[in-house]
Amino acid sequence: SQQGEEDPQALSIQEGENATMNCSYKTSINNLQWYRQNSGRGLVHLILIRSNEREKHSGRLRVTLDTSKKSSSLLITASRAADTASYFCATVATGGFKTIFGAGTRLFVKA
Amino acid sequence: ETGVTQSPTHLIKTRGQQVTLRCSSQSGHNTVSWYQQALGQGPQFIFQYYREEENGRGNFPPRFSGLQFPNYSSELNVNALELDDSALYLCASSRTSGRAEETQYFGPGTRLLVL
Repeated sequence: SQQGEEDPQALSIQEGENATMNCSYKTSINNLQWYRQNSGRGLVHLILIRSNEREKHSGRLRVTLDTSKKSSSLLITASRAADTASYFCATVATGGFKTIFGAGTRLFVKA
Repeated sequence: ETGVTQSPTHLIKTRGQQVTLRCSSQSGHNTVSWYQQALGQGPQFIFQYYREEENGRGNFPPRFSGLQFPNYSSELNVNALELDDSALYLCASSRTSGRAEETQYFGPGTRLLVL
């Protein structure tokens, strides 16, 4: 079974609104990463946050990590139609070697 | 563009056949990982290669095998194809130690359909 679980499974918002996606995981981790995927194509790396970090920003993206709750959130501010995609969180367990992906959140931004 | 390429982009095979998928890593990357992504699901880790050696494997049977070449390109081979093997196959390359802690750069994927 996959370690990461995203919530919600699907999200539909208007252009200009903020989108928040959440991810929960089960074991201690080295880092957590967020990826975007358009229409079943390759994944694009968005941001990596290490286990000793609590918050990270990249442009319109803000990621938080709460290791005590084993959860992370991805906030996309001022969303655009081009942000329509599936978003995945991915984790590497402490001492592990493989990246485990969740099932993803499907975001639809209406123009 | 990530600099990671995969071929072919699409492939149709019949049950029982064998298939080889190819991946060319980004320049300077010495680690490649392969993933299987079923429709509507997240990618599932198949295995990882570092400096031409298998570095770790997910829950896939031995009929899934791989190779990494000195130029860090890679192949995924699947024997005795089953209908459930229909999926998008993604490779991802990364640099450094071979541990899955560094940013991975994904190729566009090969969509395999098994009939």
